[in-house]
Amino acid sequence: AQSVSQHNHHVILSEAASLELGCNYSYGGTVNLFWYVQYPGQHLQLLLKYFSGDPLVKGIKGFEAEFIKSKFSFNLRKPSVQWSDTAEYFCAVNAGNMLTFGGGTRLMVKP
Amino acid sequence: SQTIHQWPATLVQPVGSPLSLECTVEGTSNPNLYWYRQAAGRGLQLLFYSVGIGQISSEVPQNLSASRPQDRQFILSSKKLLLSDSGFYLCAWGRPLHFGNGTRLTVT
Repeated sequence: AQSVSQHNHHVILSEAASLELGCNYSYGGTVNLFWYVQYPGQHLQLLLKYFSGDPLVKGIKGFEAEFIKSKFSFNLRKPSVQWSDTAEYFCAVNAGNMLTFGGGTRLMVKP
Repeated sequence: SQTIHQWPATLVQPVGSPLSLECTVEGTSNPNLYWYRQAAGRGLQLLFYSVGIGQISSEVPQNLSASRPQDRQFILSSKKLLLSDSGFYLCAWGRPLHFGNGTRLTVT
């Protein structure tokens, strides 16, 4: 069975700091990869996705993620975070009809 | 455009009472539908998914059940709620997933 690991459960950064959230998955076949974000009091939104092609994908709000197949990783990055990026971030892996989420990373950005 | 409706938004139910959460999707046909739960301090957990009318796959054994009586309707039910059923329930469809606004269930 596939599994997704997000090793950082809580991250606290100051504004303008760089962000990298780790995501590793276990599945040997073809996968689609996603990052979702849930801002306080709001529902989940898609941040970015990877299906094929360029392994460096750009998402909304300046986020990007890099798919490294050899490392089974899909880390989320942002060069300079803002207070409004405070949210919970979920990595997800889709194989067949199954979409498996990581445990989430709660990001707090201090103004 | 496609939209997903989920209700109610919040629900407080006593232990042992039944549960019915409804989700409907508009603007698409034969969608893959999902029920997820986000328990406090934990990530999203897939509960059920459905690829068509009457087709339900369960991912986690529990006292919840799901049904898909119509193509764009997905219902999450329980005959007797447990305290541990408290959480945030999300209906979703498609690939990538589009989520409803969720139902916050508190079992007292």
